[in-house]
Amino acid sequence: AQSVTQLDSHVSVSEGTPVLLRCNYSSSYSPSLFWYVQHPNKGLQLLLKYTSAATLVKGINGFEAEFKKSETSFHLTKPSAHMSDAAEYFCVVTQGASNFGNEKLTFGTGTRLTIIP
Amino acid sequence: DTGVSQDPRHKITKRGQNVTFRCDPISEHNRLYWYRQTLGQGPEFLTYFQNEAQLEKSRLLSDRFSAERPKGSFSTLEIQRTEQGDSAMYLCASSLAGGKRDGYTFGSGTRLTVV
Repeated sequence: AQSVTQLDSHVSVSEGTPVLLRCNYSSSYSPSLFWYVQHPNKGLQLLLKYTSAATLVKGINGFEAEFKKSETSFHLTKPSAHMSDAAEYFCVVTQGASNFGNEKLTFGTGTRLTIIP
Repeated sequence: DTGVSQDPRHKITKRGQNVTFRCDPISEHNRLYWYRQTLGQGPEFLTYFQNEAQLEKSRLLSDRFSAERPKGSFSTLEIQRTEQGDSAMYLCASSLAGGKRDGYTFGSGTRLTVV
């Protein structure tokens, strides 16, 4: 079984300040973890992914996340927020690094990021 | 091929009517997934195909729902006798086997409103 908990449903930061979106996961096997972003009326866009390689993962638009197995966390960060970062962010887990199996994604409930001008 | 396409973008239907949605995946992707997203929630897995074979269905998928991928390319999701609780965004995603490694591409979704 696998699950994801996004600890904050809503985060507000001022433009130019750091962003931290928190995510904890649970997985029976070695997980693969993703962060997706969803802008209003747009599809889900992949920000970054962890698949058992480097624990610090860099993604698009200056975002990065660190996989911490001991804390079962995969928090998303960005050093300086931009107005265009305002969106809904989803932490996602799927099982293992194997190429077999369903690979279905389990999503968190999302964190809405608001950027204050 | 620029991505995953879903049609229609929006659908308003009366309760009790049948609706059908279409998803065209990235052409070389052999896996296709359907998810449902209700307001304020993350997407939930409904079903997935590898080529033309439907390999898993979620318990969320009642017998009013049926999905097909007849030639291993596009897929359709049909909902019979729609209910107001079916109102949601229906998302399609595709990947190669090993999507955990290479990633999944999502379409923009079909928003269903049942009135």
